[in-house]
Amino acid sequence: GAVVSQHPSWVICKSGTSVKIECRSLDFQATTMFWYRQFPKQSLMLMATSNEGSKATYEQGVEKDKFLINHASLTLSTLTVTSAHPEDSSFYICSAQQGNNSPLHFGNGTRLTVT
Amino acid sequence: DQQVKQNSPSLSVQEGRISILNCDYTNSMFDYFLWYKKYPAEGPTFLISISSIKDKNEDGRFTVFLNKSAKHLSLHIVPSQPGDSAVYFCASLNTGTASKLTFGTGTRLQVTL
Repeated sequence: GAVVSQHPSWVICKSGTSVKIECRSLDFQATTMFWYRQFPKQSLMLMATSNEGSKATYEQGVEKDKFLINHASLTLSTLTVTSAHPEDSSFYICSAQQGNNSPLHFGNGTRLTVT
Repeated sequence: DQQVKQNSPSLSVQEGRISILNCDYTNSMFDYFLWYKKYPAEGPTFLISISSIKDKNEDGRFTVFLNKSAKHLSLHIVPSQPGDSAVYFCASLNTGTASKLTFGTGTRLQVTL
């Protein structure tokens, strides 16, 4: 089956630093990848849609200058949390799609803790 | 505005019995529905989906029912197994809008021995 690898699985960083999270589709090409954020006991909230070779589309309320998304190839998208603050601490999950309307395949998520 | 709602935050079912997880949506433009299973500290795993042109889809122990007039879908797991214990999310989308999934808040299923 389709596999999506997300790295790192957890990271602790200090306030003011930047953190990069990678999302790779291992055995398929993903023209579209999605980035979600999950707060404790809440649903997955879509942050942005990442299309290979073009700028990401951000959801309302998501700061594009803070959450930098780069979809460099058909198998890799990165999310960089810039100048991280404690309120950015959360569980970030990426997903990728093999084709239009096919089910999303998710990475295992990244637990970010900002101290 | 929560367009996809799972009103039961938790559910406990005995092993071997049927688990029924419910999901309601408000957006009549949604035409494709999915269920995901999620273990702690892991990403969701796709379980089963259904298109709005159907009212039932079955895959092994998992069956999804869709009632479009009521804007309601449910996931039936039978027989329930301890390994089914997880959080289940329903998700909906309008296939005409670039596949942006809207997730429910999840239901934690506990299958007891």
